[in-house]
Amino acid sequence: TQLLEQSPQFLSIQEGENLTVYCNSSSVFSSLQWYRQEPGEGPVLLVTVVTGGEVKKLKRLTFQFGDARKDSSLHITAAQPGDTGLYLCAGASGSNYKLTFGKGTLLTVNP
Amino acid sequence: ETGVTQTPRHLVMGMTNKKSLKCEQHLGHNAMYWYKQSAKKPLELMFVYNFKEQTENNSVPSRFSPECPNSSHLFLHLHTLQPEDSALYLCASSRRAVNTEAFFGQGTRLTVV
Repeated sequence: TQLLEQSPQFLSIQEGENLTVYCNSSSVFSSLQWYRQEPGEGPVLLVTVVTGGEVKKLKRLTFQFGDARKDSSLHITAAQPGDTGLYLCAGASGSNYKLTFGKGTLLTVNP
Repeated sequence: ETGVTQTPRHLVMGMTNKKSLKCEQHLGHNAMYWYKQSAKKPLELMFVYNFKEQTENNSVPSRFSPECPNSSHLFLHLHTLQPEDSALYLCASSRRAVNTEAFFGQGTRLTVV
């Protein structure tokens, strides 16, 4: 069974601070996706990383895929209240219909 | 209207009721999914349809019955549910069923009383 462990589970910070959240597994994934889910809404895809060691930037968000394609991190610079939400990582395997989701990191950015 | 639309957004039903959740996607995707999201648990994949054919039934109890009449519409028929079935039910679609990105609807918040 493939498992994705996300840490920390909860994170509360002040506006302007930097933060990093992690997504770790003992399994290799062909790609890994990050989603953000706001209360009462469905998850929204932020980025997909495919190549080991890949780094992608989305404005103040930086995503990295581990060299071995088993882990990933999301770094947010100068967090804003609009970044508040549940950040989910999901791994895909080449021939599997399933996306394996982590439990998520619930981020709260206080003004 | 674009994206993935789910109705209703909220549903309260008794354990003896029968209800249906509806999902419609306007993205031209070929695969559709039902997920269950409960507190403190990862998203659980329930069903996968690829080109209208069910390709995955992730050990879901028979009180949940999916229906996919075409690639754009997906239903989840509910009957004799239990209180522990209360959760957020999310529909998603993707271009293809394998190793691809999912686009989610807003979900139906289901409460079984």
